[in-house]
Order: sequence, then structure tokens, then C-alpha cells
Amino acid sequence: AQKITQTQPGMFVQEKEAVTLDCTYDTSDPSYGLFWYKQPSSGEMIFLIYQGSYDQQNATEGRYSLNFQKARKSANLVISASQLGDSAMYFCAMRAPRGGYQKVTFGTGTKLQVIP
Amino acid sequence: GAVVSQHPSWVICKSGTSVKIECRSLDFQATTMFWYRQFPKQSLMLMATSNEGSKATYEQGVEKDKFLINHASLTLSTLTVTSAHPEDSSFYICSASFGKVPGGGADTQYFGPGTRLTVL
Repeated sequence: AQKITQTQPGMFVQEKEAVTLDCTYDTSDPSYGLFWYKQPSSGEMIFLIYQGSYDQQNATEGRYSLNFQKARKSANLVISASQLGDSAMYFCAMRAPRGGYQKVTFGTGTKLQVIP
Repeated sequence: GAVVSQHPSWVICKSGTSVKIECRSLDFQATTMFWYRQFPKQSLMLMATSNEGSKATYEQGVEKDKFLINHASLTLSTLTVTSAHPEDSSFYICSASFGKVPGGGADTQYFGPGTRLTVL
């Protein structure tokens, strides 16, 4: 069974500081993808970063980087130089094959609040 | 690129009526579209996966006859909530994906802005 775990329901970070949002996953499939999405109060889901299970290097996208530790089955999101606009819910998700198609499983989310 | 739209953004309807929500990929052809439901302060719950021209695959516990999904083209999928009841009130989000990511990983889903349904 596929499972995504986000153990931090809420996080605070000072503006301009870096913050790490935790995510662990469980799957028996060797081919999978890991995603992070941001959901502001407006409700839209914004894609941030992707890591493939076969990717050798950690993914980076601007101020976002994914700390992928395959042996530990963790895919933490690191946001550097936090900005007030980063305040939002953050969801970790995993996509893996199931029954001939791809299924995405979302974590419960972490609410990040950036303090001025 | 990879823009997904949803219409309407919000809808209020009376109990017993049907509501149709459209999901469109504006600048790409989506091989697969997904429909999610999200309750307040909770994570997304996958309702169904649909591929263009074929029947949707529903998740366990999702009523097929209540939540009708039609994936008419590579850019349009619709979700119809039939005979809506107050317990169907929720935030419905669609997503679309295209192609594969190099390296064999799964492809990325791009989400629409969501539709807030309130059933009175």
C-alpha cells in the first residue's frame, strides 16, 4: 500500500530563514515520483517540485529543494530565505503505479506560517 | 505552461439538483485527468482517474452513479454531482497530467483552481 506521512501539522519560520518540511513515504514499487504542492488560502494547488525515484540528484527549483533520502524513504522540502508569501499549506504527494494506472497519494499537509 | 482551469469556481444549489463542473487543460493535452475532493483543513482525497475516451476509474467508496465523470477530449473532463445533498458540499479540485518525466518517474499533475460546492 502507498502511504505518505507528514508529521508536522504546523510550522513557524522567521522571514528570510530556511525551513524544512518533513515527508516520509512507503511504497513497494521501485518506480515512483514525489511531489510537493503549495496550497494558499485561495485553495489552488501549486506545483513546486518533483523528484523521481531514479533521479540521482536532489531536485531544486529556485528557493525550493527536495532532500531525497531513498534508503530512509524521506523527501523533505527545504525552503530557503522564507518570504511572507510562503505562508500556506504544503502537501507532499507520491505517485506510483497501481492496477495499470498511476495513483497519487497525498499527505495530510503542513501549515507553514512565516513571521515578519 | 501547464494551465488547468475549472468552471465554475463556486456554486450554490438546492438539494436534489445536479451540478456539472468542468475541468480544462488550456495549453496542453492531458492524457489523464483526476478529480479530488477536499474537506476543510484536510488533505485531498482522490475520487477518480479518467483517461480520454475511456471510463473513469473510481476509488473505493466513491459512488459512480452519483459522481459522473466524462472525459470527452484530451482537454476537457467534467464531473457531474447528481441529486446533490448537503453532505456533498465540499471543495472539488481537478488535475491533469501529460507525458512522462525523463528517468522513468511518474508525471506531474497540474491542478485547477478548484470549485467550491455548497448544497442547501
